[in-house]
Amino acid sequence: DAKTTQPNSMESNEEEPVHLPCNHSTISGTDYIHWYRQLPSQGPEYVIHGLTSNVNNRMASLAIAEDRKSSTLILHRATLRDAAVYYCILRDSYTGFQKLVFGTGTRLLVSP
Amino acid sequence: DVKVTQSSRYLVKRTGEKVFLECVQDMDHENMFWYRQDPGLGLRLIYFSYDVKMKEKGDIPEGYSVSREKKERFSLILESASTNQTSMYLCASNPGGRNQPQHFGDGTRLSIL
Repeated sequence: DAKTTQPNSMESNEEEPVHLPCNHSTISGTDYIHWYRQLPSQGPEYVIHGLTSNVNNRMASLAIAEDRKSSTLILHRATLRDAAVYYCILRDSYTGFQKLVFGTGTRLLVSP
Repeated sequence: DVKVTQSSRYLVKRTGEKVFLECVQDMDHENMFWYRQDPGLGLRLIYFSYDVKMKEKGDIPEGYSVSREKKERFSLILESASTNQTSMYLCASNPGGRNQPQHFGDGTRLSIL
């Protein structure tokens, strides 16, 4: 599986935008970029995914570099509830049945 | 919204006991998964199921079995619990088809004494 690299931790203030980076230099043409997050004492939660174009949903935006070797998850206005570990993973679009493999992720701290 | 419900948030059992962890999803998803999550080891797949009565081993099936008698319910069984099975257990589901996100329950923190 292609590997992703994320910073161990980031800090933000409440109501400010947060940009969480992810490097995936060995990404293949059929890999989708998925983001999950895990709040304390909860199961992982799907956030967003994309292939080439930038994507928006009610939770976040995903900006994908033109060469697809990196991407950024954008939380437009961080809240205390967004404090979590964020995982960036790659999933092959041609493989129908896949387990999720999380790396160490980025721990986001949000201050009031 | 998809709801995946795990029967217990916290469970304490003794070595040698048979332990049942239950998971129910309400979105008619074909696929269901059982993972365990341990510090420093990340998420590891134990078993998954792509249909009723169908099951496939994941990466660490030893010491576990599963049952899927109905589409919405996927049970994980620890045949004879051991202390190294103390962990956070996570159930997930997703629809059939490629590249579908997985939806997780809140997990069961299981302690084996």
